[in-house]
Amino acid sequence: KAGVTQTPRYLIKTRGQQVTLSCSPISGHRSVSWYQQTPGQGLQFLFEYFSETQRNKGNFPGRFSGRQFSNSRSEMNVSTLELGDSALYLCASSLYYEQYFGPGTRLTVT
Amino acid sequence: KNEVEQSPQNLTAQEGEFITINCSYSVGISALHWLQQHPGGGIVSLFMLSSGKKKHGRLIATINIQEKHSSLHITASHPRDSAVYICAVFLMNRDDKIIFGKGTRLHILP
Repeated sequence: KAGVTQTPRYLIKTRGQQVTLSCSPISGHRSVSWYQQTPGQGLQFLFEYFSETQRNKGNFPGRFSGRQFSNSRSEMNVSTLELGDSALYLCASSLYYEQYFGPGTRLTVT
Repeated sequence: KNEVEQSPQNLTAQEGEFITINCSYSVGISALHWLQQHPGGGIVSLFMLSSGKKKHGRLIATINIQEKHSSLHITASHPRDSAVYICAVFLMNRDDKIIFGKGTRLHILP
């Protein structure tokens, strides 16, 4: 089975711009979760989607949003980028609890 | 105080040594996840635990629900075990679903 894929792998954006990241889960997995990893805060939960509905949400501002499509692929969007949004963004898919992580998208905001 | 605490933060050991990494939490959980992250960012799931003990090869994970504590042990450590080990807890009755420890950076010397 193919693993979780994320595109793009690297991205450089300017403050104030918006960005969309994509995640394709493992076939058959209906849950997709998004995480932000920074050196200062470590890994933090952004949100989880299941069957196209947001099921859980972490403590992030409304600039961070996501969606899930009928084929379980998911996108996350960050609007009005800030320097502090520079991070590794990881998605993970799951059947139950166990998370299977993608390689991540490294976003740099300048 | 962080809701998930890992110790030690950094650990350097000689090849062959027995390694223990600890994770303590202060919240109600439904499961605990041990993850391994190699340089470059890729995260691999090692164990999912809700009680007792699990073993996979040279890795052993235990959890004590009453004491809110889990340990990850590595027997006969090898330089390829060098990585960051992260403990994550799945929360009960909370929207933010999962919180992570800050990680333990392990370096095994040949």
